[in-house]
Amino acid sequence: AQKITQTQPGMFVQEKEAVTLDCTYDTSDPSYGLFWYKQPSSGEMIFLIYQGSYDQQNATEGRYSLNFQKARKSANLVISASQLGDSAMYFCAMRGSGDKIIFGKGTRLHILP
Amino acid sequence: NAGVTQTPKFQVLKTGQSMTLQCAQDMNHEYMSWYRQDPGMGLRLIHYSVGAGITDQGEVPNGYNVSRSTTEDFPLRLLSAAPSQTSVYFCASSYYASGNEQFFGPGTRLTVL
Repeated sequence: AQKITQTQPGMFVQEKEAVTLDCTYDTSDPSYGLFWYKQPSSGEMIFLIYQGSYDQQNATEGRYSLNFQKARKSANLVISASQLGDSAMYFCAMRGSGDKIIFGKGTRLHILP
Repeated sequence: NAGVTQTPKFQVLKTGQSMTLQCAQDMNHEYMSWYRQDPGMGLRLIHYSVGAGITDQGEVPNGYNVSRSTTEDFPLRLLSAAPSQTSVYFCASSYYASGNEQFFGPGTRLTVL
């Protein structure tokens, strides 16, 4: 069975600092994918970044990077130089070979001015 | 392109009533899914579909039915609403191949009295 765990319910970070949001996963599938989404207070879901299990390099998209440690089954999101607009809920998600895409419970990030 | 559309935006039901949440996408995506979002629970997968005529259960399928007669539409039916089904419901779609981000609809806020 697939499982996603986000252990940080909430985080407070000073503006311009880097942020790491934790995500661990469990799956027996050899092929899987990991996603991160952002949900601002307005409620929409915004795709941030994707990492495939066979990708050799960590994914990066602008200020977002995914610290993928396969042996540890972790896929942490790193936001560099945080901004006030980064305050939101962040979800880690996984797609296994069975095509189910499941989400973690999320981490609420607060950026302090 | 309208993307993923959901109707209605808000709905109040009485216990025992039935209703259908509509979801449509105009991006020719093979993969569609329904999630419910409850405080502290993240997004939980209800049902998903990898193409017209094919549906499968997610993490929390009880009390919900789906069908996929066309590529564009993926309605979610509540047969006999219960207060435990009070939630925000999101529909999402993507191309089938692994690694493709899901595009989410704006959500339907459902209250069951």
